[in-house]
Amino acid sequence: GQQVMQIPQYQHVQEGEDFTTYCNSSTTLSNIQWYKQRPGGHPVFLIQLVKSGEVKKQKRLTFQFGEAKKNSSLHITATQTTDVGTYFCAGRFGNEKLTFGTGTRLTIIP
Amino acid sequence: NAGVTQTPKFRVLKTGQSMTLLCAQDMNHEYMYWYRQDPGMGLRLIHYSVGEGTTAKGEVPDGYNVSRLKKQNFLLGLESAAPSQTSVYFCASRVSGGATDTQYFGPGTRLTVL
Repeated sequence: GQQVMQIPQYQHVQEGEDFTTYCNSSTTLSNIQWYKQRPGGHPVFLIQLVKSGEVKKQKRLTFQFGEAKKNSSLHITATQTTDVGTYFCAGRFGNEKLTFGTGTRLTIIP
Repeated sequence: NAGVTQTPKFRVLKTGQSMTLLCAQDMNHEYMYWYRQDPGMGLRLIHYSVGEGTTAKGEVPDGYNVSRLKKQNFLLGLESAAPSQTSVYFCASRVSGGATDTQYFGPGTRLTVL
């Protein structure tokens, strides 16, 4: 089946350190989306990447889409306590459905 | 503009009982989705709909039924609840076409089956 693998499952960082989460698919994606879910909340859309090799930035967040459109990463520079939550990638394989990764839960040590 | 709303927010059922979860969106979106979220397993698609009167199975459809009689509503039914259906259920919707296919999620329903 169409699966999206995401690592790591958990990440604990000191406030101010960087954080990265990675997603991989065995087949080519039409696009990939990233969502953030705060503790007790619901997933909220962050960004969508469509083009091969695309890089997008949102303040301290940098999103990349691989050249083969099979992998993606989210990098947060100088984490803050407001970054706490679970980050999900979600891949679209050209149909109506998104396939979500298992998520990376980020906790910040003040 | 409320976005996506879900009813109820919390529910406790006994094994074998039935219930219906309601999802409503006021954004005139064509596509609607039901997911369940379990620890360590991310979001798994139960059923989805690409328009009024249509439904389709997702990744984990067994034990659930859905209906989309009105464009703005998507109902998820559990005919005979089982403990394995204890989970947090999220509804989502999105527009068909457009520059991005962002999914907008509701606040979730936390269901416990005893």
